[in-house]
Amino acid sequence: DAGITQSPRHKVTETGTPVTLRCHQTENHRYMYWYRQDPGHGLRLIHYSYGVKDTDKGEVSDGYSVSRSKTEDFLLTLESATSSQTSVYFCATQREGTYNEQFFGPGTRLTVL
Amino acid sequence: DQQVKQNSPSLSVQEGRISILNCDYTNSMFDYFLWYKKYPAEGPTFLISISSIKDKNEDGRFTVFLNKSAKHLSLHIVPSQPGDSAVYFCAASEGGGADGLTFGKGTHLIIQP
Repeated sequence: DAGITQSPRHKVTETGTPVTLRCHQTENHRYMYWYRQDPGHGLRLIHYSYGVKDTDKGEVSDGYSVSRSKTEDFLLTLESATSSQTSVYFCATQREGTYNEQFFGPGTRLTVL
Repeated sequence: DQQVKQNSPSLSVQEGRISILNCDYTNSMFDYFLWYKKYPAEGPTFLISISSIKDKNEDGRFTVFLNKSAKHLSLHIVPSQPGDSAVYFCAASEGGGADGLTFGKGTHLIIQP
């Protein structure tokens, strides 16, 4: 358990509104990730971070931006939410030196109406 | 194009018997493979992993087998227990870095009493 919390845990919003999801970790892991899980797709990588202010795009990054101003926090922003972004979002962390073993947060269920 | 494939959406096994979950991949650059277990409304939890330089890794009731020539891996659970009922995700990565994991769609394992 890497002490990962996600907030909010559930959110309902309307199309066109901005939304920010927060991931907070207490283990000082260097690497952090945002995934989304949808039926029939498994988990897909949205963005990831190698460290403070060092981020990169994943497989499904369109419509999303991220920021990491502190080691412990990784924010995911939907600038203008669309119904296709209705999903469950998972944050994950990884210790430096461990071979891709990632620890996941409990998830945020986002519904865009 | 799906690089990690889990072709069985669900699998039902009797308690005490062996559960075998399968995973195929297409990207020959993948060099590390992981299995995650997921209960409803929780984040995935790491189960077991294998490096491409090995063909087998064991951890208690769980064994992962890798056949590189066939680009196939399998997870064996012996004996299966009721608490093993969950969705199992196969994941892969390349290059030893921290660029995120590529997941399959998952297999829902149901252990029958």
